[in-house]
Amino acid sequence: SAVISQKPSRDICQRGTSLTIQCQVDSQVTMMFWYRQQPGQSLTLIATANQGSEATYESGFVIDKFPISRPNLTFSTLTVSNMSPEDSSIYLCSVEDQGATEAFFGQGTRLTVV
Amino acid sequence: QKEVEQDPGPLSVPEGAIVSLNCTYSNSAFQYFMWYRQYSRKGPELLMYTYSSGNKEDGRFTAQVDKSSKYISLFIRDSQPSDSATYLCAMSDTGGFKTIFGAGTRLFVKA
Repeated sequence: SAVISQKPSRDICQRGTSLTIQCQVDSQVTMMFWYRQQPGQSLTLIATANQGSEATYESGFVIDKFPISRPNLTFSTLTVSNMSPEDSSIYLCSVEDQGATEAFFGQGTRLTVV
Repeated sequence: QKEVEQDPGPLSVPEGAIVSLNCTYSNSAFQYFMWYRQYSRKGPELLMYTYSSGNKEDGRFTAQVDKSSKYISLFIRDSQPSDSATYLCAMSDTGGFKTIFGAGTRLFVKA
């Protein structure tokens, strides 16, 4: 199983600012994903972070709001841009390896926008 | 209709009870079925996974998949207060990528 380090674990941010969340994996993985989990809700996939190319975004999420980087097979960042209180949520990175069937998650970043 | 339906609960049981958690799904292409446990303020951790139909047992936990009914279950025997968490079912198709999650069921086990 992969060990995922995600940081920051939590932050309180002013509206209009941006926050970059980092996800570091202890091994090379094929697929990295970013999820949002709003209070009392399940996980919603934001985008798939592709190494060496642009991320693939799900319906309702756009690159200008959630720019993603994936410079190598062990690291990715998600930026939440121009934040509003509606962006208050838990953001989780997840990895799945080629041929594997299960996903592994970071500890999550609890974001509060005030 | 959501691809995966899961009752969010909360479900409250006394210590020692048998807990049954369930999900239904609509996509017949799903082949891999997982259960994740998420403690408060933590990321989800994989609890069990099952391929196709059948049962899988691991200690106090049993996962069941009935593909004909598009129904999966997780049973917890001799439940403990430490089992109090949110349990998310998850599934993916043969490709194994882009896992779809249920809403999660909040479980409280009272001592």
